[in-house]
Amino acid sequence: QVELVESGGGVVQPGGSLRLSCAASGFTLSNFGMHWVRQAPGKGLEWVALTPYEGPYEGTIKYYADSVKGRFTISRDSSRNTVYLQMSSLRVEDTAVYYCAKDLGNAWYYLDYWGQGALVTVSS
Amino acid sequence: EIVLTQSPATLSLSPGERATLSCRASQSVSSFLAWYQHKPGQAPRLLIYDASKRATGVPARFSGSGSGTNFTLTISSLAPEDSAVYFCQQRSNWPPFTFGQGTKVEMK
Repeated sequence: QVELVESGGGVVQPGGSLRLSCAASGFTLSNFGMHWVRQAPGKGLEWVALTPYEGPYEGTIKYYADSVKGRFTISRDSSRNTVYLQMSSLRVEDTAVYYCAKDLGNAWYYLDYWGQGALVTVSS
Repeated sequence: EIVLTQSPATLSLSPGERATLSCRASQSVSSFLAWYQHKPGQAPRLLIYDASKRATGVPARFSGSGSGTNFTLTISSLAPEDSAVYFCQQRSNWPPFTFGQGTKVEMK
């Protein structure tokens, strides 16, 4: 069955960097868009980034929330069945549980499977 | 950016009762709206997509309706395991994909 497992969370100082990984299994990663979504403490869900299904052009197009554009980079390695979120210039307001999520189809943009989440704490 | 406003913030009902959750969009999203269930410490779960289509494995007591700017998630007969926060999400105008702030359903 489909499983998504995030790793790489932790505590980092403001201005620092961190890379989250999402190990995917149970489906062919290259056939689906993949998202990162976060939830700050006591807040709702916030969409962060998307690497869409692109067929033979896999990995060339990415989309970001304005709040992370220029600081975060989403990428995928289908040979390793893994999606990444490279986070730099981290701010206190980036503190959140980060979820990776699979798209329902190759361009549905609904999220049908989610991981358990990785906690990122940005604090001095 | 499309803003989704959910109401009420909290719904307190007894098992067997009917739950009606609302999601209102700041502009039309056609039928491009989903509902998710999120329990503490668990991964969110897709319940409804395209406003009214049940996701795989979702019990029939969950149903969605609406189009344009007004949407409803109905739980016809609440089960104890339905205690959770419910979020709506739009995919009509993106990026960004946006979520509502959530409705917490709790059992009396």
